[in-house]
Amino acid sequence: AQKVTQAQTEISVVEKEDVTLDCVYETRDTTYYLFWYKQPPSGELVFLIRRNSFDEQNEISGRYSWNFQKSTSSFNFTITASQVVDSAVYFCALSGQQTSYDKVIFGPGTSLSVIP
Amino acid sequence: NAGVTQTPKFRVLKTGQSMTLLCAQDMNHEYMYWYRQDPGMGLRLIHYSVGEGTTAKGEVPDGYNVSRLKKQNFLLGLESAAPSQTSVYFCASSYSGIEQYFGPGTRLTVT
Repeated sequence: AQKVTQAQTEISVVEKEDVTLDCVYETRDTTYYLFWYKQPPSGELVFLIRRNSFDEQNEISGRYSWNFQKSTSSFNFTITASQVVDSAVYFCALSGQQTSYDKVIFGPGTSLSVIP
Repeated sequence: NAGVTQTPKFRVLKTGQSMTLLCAQDMNHEYMYWYRQDPGMGLRLIHYSVGEGTTAKGEVPDGYNVSRLKKQNFLLGLESAAPSQTSVYFCASSYSGIEQYFGPGTRLTVT
């Protein structure tokens, strides 16, 4: 079975602090994709990143970085120097061979509050 | 290029009433999805479609029906609404089934 766990339900940080959002996944697939989505208070879902299972290189995009470790089945997301605009619910998600890549399994989300 | 649009944005129903949510995409995507989002549960897949004329059940299909008569449209129907169907509904589309683009959501309340 495929499953995505985001153990942190809610996180609060003070502006300019760094914060890491954890994501642990379960899959028997050898080929799979991992995603992060952001849902700001306005409600829309914004795609942030996609990684495939063959690419374990960490990725950095501005203040965002992602650490993919197959050995621990984790795909963690770090925001450096957090800002109030980063306040949102963040979802980690997984798609793989078991679901014929047709479906994406979402984690429960982590609600991040950045306090000015 | 509007992307993925959903109609309506808000709706209040009484128990037992029926309604249809419309999702439209102008990206020529083959794949379309309906999710519901409830507090603490992330997004759960209701039904999805891998092409015009096809539909398949997702994780929580009971109480919902769907149709994909045209490639650009994916309709979600509630035949007899129940309070448990109070939720925010998101439609998404995808070219390959991997990366999904979401609509703005429909907030449905069933009293």
